[in-house]
Amino acid sequence: DIQMTQSPSSLSASVADRVTITCRASQGISNYLAWYQQKPGKVPKLLIYAASTLQSGVPSRFSGSGSGTDFTLTISSLQPEDVATYYCQQYNSAPWTFGQGTKVEIK
Amino acid sequence: QVQLVQSGSELKKPGASVKISCKASGYTFTSYAMNWVRQAPGQGLEWMGWINTNTGNPTYAQGFTGRFVFSLDTSVSTAYLQISNLMAEDTAVYYCARRITIDYWGQGTLVTVSS
Repeated sequence: DIQMTQSPSSLSASVADRVTITCRASQGISNYLAWYQQKPGKVPKLLIYAASTLQSGVPSRFSGSGSGTDFTLTISSLQPEDVATYYCQQYNSAPWTFGQGTKVEIK
Repeated sequence: QVQLVQSGSELKKPGASVKISCKASGYTFTSYAMNWVRQAPGQGLEWMGWINTNTGNPTYAQGFTGRFVFSLDTSVSTAYLQISNLMAEDTAVYYCARRITIDYWGQGTLVTVSS
């Protein structure tokens, strides 16, 4: 199985800060990577797929990049409503595996 | 609009079975795969597997073989997850979720296993 490792596990940043979350795959997955946001008590929401394609309706402050084994999710200007846990997921080969999550808080 | 509506919370004793339903609406049910995802209390997302809604062929992730069964009733656009011989560690929220890059999720079904 492909292991997905996110870093950091948690972070605290100020409103308007640029935030970057990293996801590393244990083997190459091309660009078969998605990012999800899960707010406390809510259902996860798809933010980005194919590593860098923004899902319809997602604010443009979210962006994704990477290919192969190393990927990043960037929030260009952190907003209070972005407090959530963020997960990457590879879908290059089954089982599709999630990272362990990165919890984002406001400082 | 697309909706995935799951059955309600369940409280079960160890050794019992549970069957969770996920009724889809707003799209052609057989056009998209259906995933099942588990989230234990305070933990992350765990992909359990998926079922091909055209063929009914299920694929299970490691750790979800044997006691877990995915099934369909395409006549009512519904997917099912059955878990047998429940254990305390099965206590979790179970989500059905559409498509490989999951664009729609059910609201989740909390299964609590306790004596």
